[in-house]
Order: sequence, then C-alpha cells, then structure tokens
Amino acid sequence: GAGVSQTPSNKVTEKGKYVELRCDPISGHTALYWYRQSLGQGPEFLIYFQGTGAADDSGLPNDRFFAVRPEGSVSTLKIQRTERGDSAVYLCASSSRRGTEAFFGQGTRLTVV
Amino acid sequence: SQKIEQNSEALNIQEGKTATLTCNYTNYSPAYLQWYRQDPGRGPVFLLLIRENEKEKRKERLKVTFDTTLKQSLFHITASQPADSATYLCALEQTGANNLFFGTGTRLTVIP
Repeated sequence: GAGVSQTPSNKVTEKGKYVELRCDPISGHTALYWYRQSLGQGPEFLIYFQGTGAADDSGLPNDRFFAVRPEGSVSTLKIQRTERGDSAVYLCASSSRRGTEAFFGQGTRLTVV
Repeated sequence: SQKIEQNSEALNIQEGKTATLTCNYTNYSPAYLQWYRQDPGRGPVFLLLIRENEKEKRKERLKVTFDTTLKQSLFHITASQPADSATYLCALEQTGANNLFFGTGTRLTVIP
C-alpha cells in the first residue's frame, strides 16, 4: 500500500474484553514498531519486529499484551482482559532499514469503558 | 534510568522568529537521532535524521544539531509560520539496536 494502514481507526470495548489491533506496513519494510500514546505524551515504545521476530518486546507493559507478525508483513497487537488504563492511541510504524525514517499510521484510538 | 526529555511542554513564539526546541537524553548511546512533527489526531511525520558523527543537518527552514558530549540535540525552525504550529518529537535509535525511542514532545504555537 501507499502508506502504513491501521485498523480499526477507533475501537470502544468493555473492560475485561479482548481486542486486536491491526497494522499493515509499507510493502517491503522489514522493521515494524508498535507504540502507545496518551494525550499530551510522546509515543511510548511497546515492541519492535525485524521481519517475523520480535527483536525487542521490552516495552510491553504486562503479559496481557502480545503482538505477532507471522509472515513478516501485517502485525496484530492483542490485548487481553482490557483495563480502563489501556485507553490510548496505538500507533504503528514501519521502516525499510536501520537509520532511515519511520512511517507512521494514523493510529487506533482504543477506549475501554 | 533512560530518559529522553524535551525542553518544555509548550513553546509560543511570534511569526517570523526562530523557534528552538531542545532534546536531552540520559543513558542512551544513539547512533541516529530523528525529529518528527505530529499534528492533532495524526501519526508523527518524519522531518530530519542526524547521525552520531554529524554535527549539523539542514533542510529548508529546518536545522538540527547533535552534540553527543552534551547528550543534546537542538531543532531550529527559522522564519517560523503559523503553519509550523504542531508538536515536535525527537527520537533515538540506539547503537547496535534498531528500536526507536521517542521523547515527550514540545507543542509549538506560532502566533501571527
């Protein structure tokens, strides 16, 4: 695709439910990043993929959060037993290689009620 | 602990003046430092990248400096315009790693 695509753009879910957020990176980009951004804050790093593998998942806040990228392109961020504190904008970015710009999607706004 | 701090949460300047934004980092060894612009409701958009062995990089009205001794980057917008109003984020890519860590952001408002 022309850019990084994230779906859905908005998601409202009830506390305790499971959600999946999808990221479709730019074709050919091997690096993929997930971030979480709260209002007035910078993007908080969650996980970084190089190809199919999670090269760094140190930013995942707890074991309710999990992400996959099985074929090295599309990635899914999965959140189990959602809590109100999970409400934020979840951003995905991709880049072609080290030392180059990252391209961001528009984000998924997650609201847990 | 590792920190990336940007000088102030908000900066207001008069149109035509130069805006200077600061990014300070602690306990990182960046190979690259990047600056992004973010508008409300949108994802960050890349502006400039500077390498650890570069002191300065320019692009049109933008200038970035990188001082690895001071552990600081300065981002300048000359002849600022109201359209430059946005949040500006710095980000570090560490030596030997590919993950990208962001600072807290500075919200710039250029007053006509």
